[in-house]
Amino acid sequence: GESVGLHLPTLSVQEGDNSIINCAYSNSASDYFIWYKQESGKGPQFIIDIRSNMDKRQGQRVTVLLNKTVKHLSLQIAATQPGDSAVYFCAENMDSSYKLIFGSGTRLLVRP
Amino acid sequence: GAGVSQSPSNKVTEKGKDVELRCDPISGHTALYWYRQRLGQGLEFLIYFQGNSAPDKSGLPSDRFSAERTGESVSTLTIQRTQQEDSAVYLCASSLQGSETQYFGPGTRLLVL
Repeated sequence: GESVGLHLPTLSVQEGDNSIINCAYSNSASDYFIWYKQESGKGPQFIIDIRSNMDKRQGQRVTVLLNKTVKHLSLQIAATQPGDSAVYFCAENMDSSYKLIFGSGTRLLVRP
Repeated sequence: GAGVSQSPSNKVTEKGKDVELRCDPISGHTALYWYRQRLGQGLEFLIYFQGNSAPDKSGLPSDRFSAERTGESVSTLTIQRTQQEDSAVYLCASSLQGSETQYFGPGTRLLVL
């Protein structure tokens, strides 16, 4: 089902450290997943995606891991920078439909 | 333009007034979506347009909400008789036909007094 969070969980990391943001998705039939980054006052920005036939995908400084057994998705950011400070949303898509279901988001704060 | 654009960027209105929000999708993107994002929360799906197919309006919260799209271009989201609980950021996204990856605009921040 759809999740709506009342309070955003926050992850605070030191600049230069690696960040791991977690997401529990709701539907075992979901076959496509996306991570979005949303900076204050802006719309969500696509970061990376992964299909259910994969368990890992790497981009530039980011890696997405998918564990279908426990319906868990994570986003790893290497060498976190101040510009990475934002709210991060995972989204799932079922049966190649058009409707993305968004998680409630995690706020990442990077300490200088 | 290179991305999805929305206007106005901010809108303040009085309770009971109607508002119209505009979205210009990425050129060539046949699919267009509207979402609502309340403060500190995730995105709620409102409506989906794909080409000339009938839109999926299943996410519209009440009959005060409606949306139109002209062909495969501009879309407008109209909220009639606005209420304070309509205050939110309204986000538009577009995607290529057959692609699940949605690209978002900057949103319209609506405040109903």
